[in-house]
Amino acid sequence: AQKVTQAQTEISVVEKEDVTLDCVYETRDTTYYLFWYKQPPSGELVFLIRRNSFDEQNEISGRYSWNFQKSTSSFNFTITASQVVDSAVYFCALSEAVGGFKTIFGAGTRLFVKA
Amino acid sequence: DSGVTQTPKHLITATGQRVTLRCSPRSGDLSVYWYQQSLDQGLQFLIQYYNGEERAKGNILERFSAQQFPDLHSELNLSSLELGDSALYFCASSVTGIGEKLFFGSGTQLSVL
Repeated sequence: AQKVTQAQTEISVVEKEDVTLDCVYETRDTTYYLFWYKQPPSGELVFLIRRNSFDEQNEISGRYSWNFQKSTSSFNFTITASQVVDSAVYFCALSEAVGGFKTIFGAGTRLFVKA
Repeated sequence: DSGVTQTPKHLITATGQRVTLRCSPRSGDLSVYWYQQSLDQGLQFLIQYYNGEERAKGNILERFSAQQFPDLHSELNLSSLELGDSALYFCASSVTGIGEKLFFGSGTQLSVL
């Protein structure tokens, strides 16, 4: 069954600390896509990254990096030198071929970055 | 601005009533998704349409129904409303609905009193 687990409900860090948000997924499909979205206090959902199941290459975008490991079914997200503006809820999501590519989300991790 | 328009932004109604939420996808997007976000349940997938046809269904209650019209806008109908239906309802769209990133609207905040 399609499932995304974000075990960390809330994380609090001090500005400039590095923080890693964990995401573990379950799928029986060989073709699937993983995503991270950000929901700042204003409420909108913003896309951050998309990865397909055939590309395990890690990615870095500025202070953001993502570690995709199929062996552990994980797609973790690291923010380096966190800033107050990073405070938000972060969602990991999975879309798989079986089931019509519906995109399901994890429960989210609320990140507080204190100045 | 994501290009996805949801109306109304806020809706206050009473238990037992029926409401309709409306979503206009981004220009060119054929697939529309509906999600429910409540405090204790995160983002729950309700239903997905592609070019007017239902493509995937989540844990959508029988009291809820949706459709996508020929002009690609979508409506989510919620009936016999209960207090527990109070939530933020998001619509999202994508071009084909196949493993693509979603563009989300700003949501409709539904309060059932």
